[in-house]
Amino acid sequence: AQSVTQPDIHITVSEGASLELRCNYSYGATPYLFWYVQSPGQGLQLLLKYFSGDTLVQGIKGFEAEFKRSQSSFNLRKPSVHWSDAAEYFCAVGHSTLTFGKGTMLLVSP
Amino acid sequence: NAGVTQTPKFRVLKTGQSMTLLCAQDMNHEYMYWYRQDPGMGLRLIHYSVGEGTTAKGEVPDGYNVSRLKKQNFLLGLESAAPSQTSVYFCASRFGTSGRGNEQFFGPGTRLTVL
Repeated sequence: AQSVTQPDIHITVSEGASLELRCNYSYGATPYLFWYVQSPGQGLQLLLKYFSGDTLVQGIKGFEAEFKRSQSSFNLRKPSVHWSDAAEYFCAVGHSTLTFGKGTMLLVSP
Repeated sequence: NAGVTQTPKFRVLKTGQSMTLLCAQDMNHEYMYWYRQDPGMGLRLIHYSVGEGTTAKGEVPDGYNVSRLKKQNFLLGLESAAPSQTSVYFCASRFGTSGRGNEQFFGPGTRLTVL
């Protein structure tokens, strides 16, 4: 069975500081991996995805993620956080259907 | 393109009442999905469809029914609403070919409260 673990429920980062959100997955085959972002009261927006090839993938809004098969991880990073990045972030794995992690809420302090 | 739209945006029901949530997409996507989102639980798949006339159960299908009579629409029904079905419901859709890791596109959500 596929599963996703996002170990951090909340993370607080100072504006301008770097960010890393952790995601660990369990999947029986080569995974398709996704990061979505959700602002309050909104739907989910895709930040980036991995399905093959280069293990470092670039996304929108300056985000990137690295697929590490040996660690079953797909951590999301951003070098400099902006106040507008405050939102909830979801990691997901799957092909025809997705399994989502429980999310990490990012708070940005001035 | 409107993308994925959901109707209604908000609804309050009494226990035992029925209702239908409508999801529509104008991207000619084959696959459509219904999720529920509860605090601290992430998104959980209720039902999905891989094409017109098909439906399949997800992780939490009990108490819900679905229909996909037209490719662009996916309906989620609650026959007898219960307070445990209070949640935010999201619809999503995607292309059928998975070779490119096609992502799901999400609607804005429907906030349902069952009293």
